[in-house]
Parts: sequence; C-alpha cells; structure tokens
Amino acid sequence: DAMVIQNPRYQVTQFGKPVTLSCSQTLNHNVMYWYQQKSSQAPKLLFHYYDKDFNNEADTPDNFQSRRPNTSFCFLDIRSPGLGDAAMYLCATSRDPRARGETQYFGPGTRLLVL
Amino acid sequence: AQSVTQLGSHVSVSEGALVLLRCNYSSSVPPYLFWYVQYPNQGLQLLLKYTSAATLVKGINGFEAEFKKSETSFHLTKPSAHMSDAAEYFCAVSDPRNTPLVFGKGTRLSVIA
Repeated sequence: DAMVIQNPRYQVTQFGKPVTLSCSQTLNHNVMYWYQQKSSQAPKLLFHYYDKDFNNEADTPDNFQSRRPNTSFCFLDIRSPGLGDAAMYLCATSRDPRARGETQYFGPGTRLLVL
Repeated sequence: AQSVTQLGSHVSVSEGALVLLRCNYSSSVPPYLFWYVQYPNQGLQLLLKYTSAATLVKGINGFEAEFKKSETSFHLTKPSAHMSDAAEYFCAVSDPRNTPLVFGKGTRLSVIA
C-alpha cells in the first residue's frame, strides 16, 4: 500500500543534542510537510517542500531545518533541541498544492522527548 | 486570514447515540473544509472534505458533514456512535489559493458503553 512512513516512532534526545527525524513516502507526491503537534493542540505547520522549493512558515524557529534529497524522503533537523521542542512531529504529503482541495496524507508521527 | 473554531474541546456520548462535533470557519473566499481523525499516538486520517460540490459530504466510517455558508459551519455528524469512534477530531480549512491547511484546536470524542 502507498503510504507515508516516519522513523523512528519514538525518539529520545538530550537537551541541545542535534536530532534528525525521517519521513518517506511511496505516494510519489510533490509536496511534503512537517507539522509540530504539542499535547492537546492542533498541528502547527513548520514548513513544506513543493518539489525542491522550500517554504518556511514565518514563525518557525531557526532551530528547525529541513532537507529533501529526493522525491521520496524528507528530513527534519532540530539543531539544538530545547525542552519546549518535545512534541509529536507529523509528516504529510499532497499531490499538488495548486489542485483544488488537495488532501494531505499523514504519517503516524514521531514523538520526540527531550531530556 | 482563515480560521477554524471547534466548539467543545471534549464531547462525550453514549454508544449508539448521535455524534455532533461542531466547526465554524472564517474565510474571505469560498473555503475548502476538511475533517480529520487522530487516534492515540497516530497520524491524522482524512474523514471527509468539502470542495464546493455537494454541500452534504459523506465520509468514511459513517460520518458526514454539511457545509452551511449562511452559518459558516461545517459540523460533523454520525447517527450512531461506536466505541471505535473515540478519538481526536480536527476541522481544517484552506482556500482556493491553496494556502496551507489551518486546523482547529480539536475535539476529543469519548464514547461511553
């Protein structure tokens, strides 16, 4: 089945130690998104790639970076995680943001714990 | 700017009872509206979406929602709740300019046996 895969499902890191979260997709979608979701809150968009074009949300901290080496993979890098960065990180894909009412397909998420 | 308001952060219903989750939107242009469901420690799954076709939209798992422009609402309903419906439900809006999805704060649905 075509899907969005996130690894690992749970990640523990230390305060200030860089961490990378991984997302891959078999849907061959053009767009990949990263969301941060804190407990009992709505997902908050951090950034997205439309093909190789990177689109950062205005309020995304510089501490968060992303890479998309090819269509299938996208990475979220947190350069110096703080306690406030503990959250669920959701990856999503969509075919074409210019298409009307495009659905986003979400992966299962990676829960990040910062000690 | 678009926004979504979900009334009630927590809704509790008995098994077999009607489920009604409320969503009101604000958009300066005709919106696209979505309902997603999230089970514990899982990603979001699309339940249904409205994209300016029929105002009554049927989704998966017996859910449906009706777009009411006059009320700026897109409430989610299901005639008979099942235990497996217990989850977090998010309403979201985007517009034809395809700005990113804006999510509501979510409503947690509990189903009591």
